[in-house]
Amino acid sequence: AQKITQTQPGMFVQEKEAVTLDCTYDTSDPSYGLFWYKQPSSGEMIFLIYQGSYDQQNATEGRYSLNFQKARKSANLVISASQLGDSAMYFCAMREGDNTDKLIFGTGTRLQVFP
Amino acid sequence: NAGVTQTPKFRVLKTGQSMTLLCAQDMNHEYMYWYRQDPGMGLRLIHYSVGEGTTAKGEVPDGYNVSRLKKQNFLLGLESAAPSQTSVYFCASRGIWTARSADTQYFGPGTRLTVL
Repeated sequence: AQKITQTQPGMFVQEKEAVTLDCTYDTSDPSYGLFWYKQPSSGEMIFLIYQGSYDQQNATEGRYSLNFQKARKSANLVISASQLGDSAMYFCAMREGDNTDKLIFGTGTRLQVFP
Repeated sequence: NAGVTQTPKFRVLKTGQSMTLLCAQDMNHEYMYWYRQDPGMGLRLIHYSVGEGTTAKGEVPDGYNVSRLKKQNFLLGLESAAPSQTSVYFCASRGIWTARSADTQYFGPGTRLTVL
């Protein structure tokens, strides 16, 4: 079974609109961490936002917020007021458990922002 | 502050050749990682290190070796390259846990390797 599932291979959004990128995860461990990374066409991986499994509130970082629904095992990334520079691949990742350094990545969603 | 750097950025090898990829970080991070990224598969962990002089296997370690002789450097070696190792290789590092960043890994720019 896939540990991290990103069902949207590609998404389009108009500039200044909000967009939600989906991520669902599968784990039986009560302690885990969820991450979102952005990969622009230049190739580097840029950390965006983190959510811990015990965090009571949804994480926010500027225009990025994480819609964490624990019971549904989803950790969707919401980008508000999209900008042309947001066009990139977006990866959801999970660190499963406390005693591991392994990050499990989804296959990514390509976001295209148009004017 | 350079963060995480990788050399080289691009490399083409013939089957059977060897090479070493260098990762360097200037953030005094304890933990370092090597990933490979293949189309449609996200990133997969090859090897990692939890401190100077230590290494451990990740998800796809076969065909690779690593060394962490200095805290700031993490080397990935291919002793006998195969076409299946054509990929983009990313190095990452992380520091100690904090409430804000937790165990966030910070990535280098990647190395694009082609094995003919």
